[in-house]
Amino acid sequence: DTAVSQTPKYLVTQMGNDKSIKCEQNLGHDTMYWYKQDSKKFLKIMFSYNNKELIINETVPNRFSPKSPDKAHLNLHINSLELGDSAVYFCASSQDPGAGYTFGSGTRLTVV
Amino acid sequence: GQQVMQIPQYQHVQEGEDFTTYCNSSTTLSNIQWYKQRPGGHPVFLIQLVKSGEVKKQKRLTFQFGEAKKNSSLHITATQTTDVGTYFCAGVQGGKLIFGQGTELSVKP
Repeated sequence: DTAVSQTPKYLVTQMGNDKSIKCEQNLGHDTMYWYKQDSKKFLKIMFSYNNKELIINETVPNRFSPKSPDKAHLNLHINSLELGDSAVYFCASSQDPGAGYTFGSGTRLTVV
Repeated sequence: GQQVMQIPQYQHVQEGEDFTTYCNSSTTLSNIQWYKQRPGGHPVFLIQLVKSGEVKKQKRLTFQFGEAKKNSSLHITATQTTDVGTYFCAGVQGGKLIFGQGTELSVKP
């Protein structure tokens, strides 16, 4: 059983398209996150949800919109994709922000 | 805002040599976490340190948290090829886990 699963694993799309990445966790954790990892491997937090409620919204373009239908799911929708959006996007969850995070396997997004 | 600096950025060692990565924060941390990311993989939680001056060991890995809770280190004794990957430290501030830039370790057999 995968603890944090995200789909798709790879996503290649053209500039201007809209795409979604889905994430689900079966750990019973209350908090879920989206992180972006750039080509230099720097991990930057984008959003955090606690029990379906948005608690962290970093300086991210409003083309990125997270949605949490329930506390086990956190999806990421991206409008009008740009070349600079190419990166690996990781979903993660934790019981609380101070505890260890469990990461999904990542979605490699390539915008061409 | 909080910054977590990590050095070195890269480290190449011969198998059997020791390896250390250092982490420094601009502010006092409530705790420090360490993660390992294998090439092509995702970050995997290794350990969390909470107390000032805390030292924890996991087999060949030794983790330290500084007395002022602003710095930390990870030391690997007698590296093996399975140790290859990027090691990240991370500290919590304002409910956010802030990652260092990571140290990429390569091990030559």
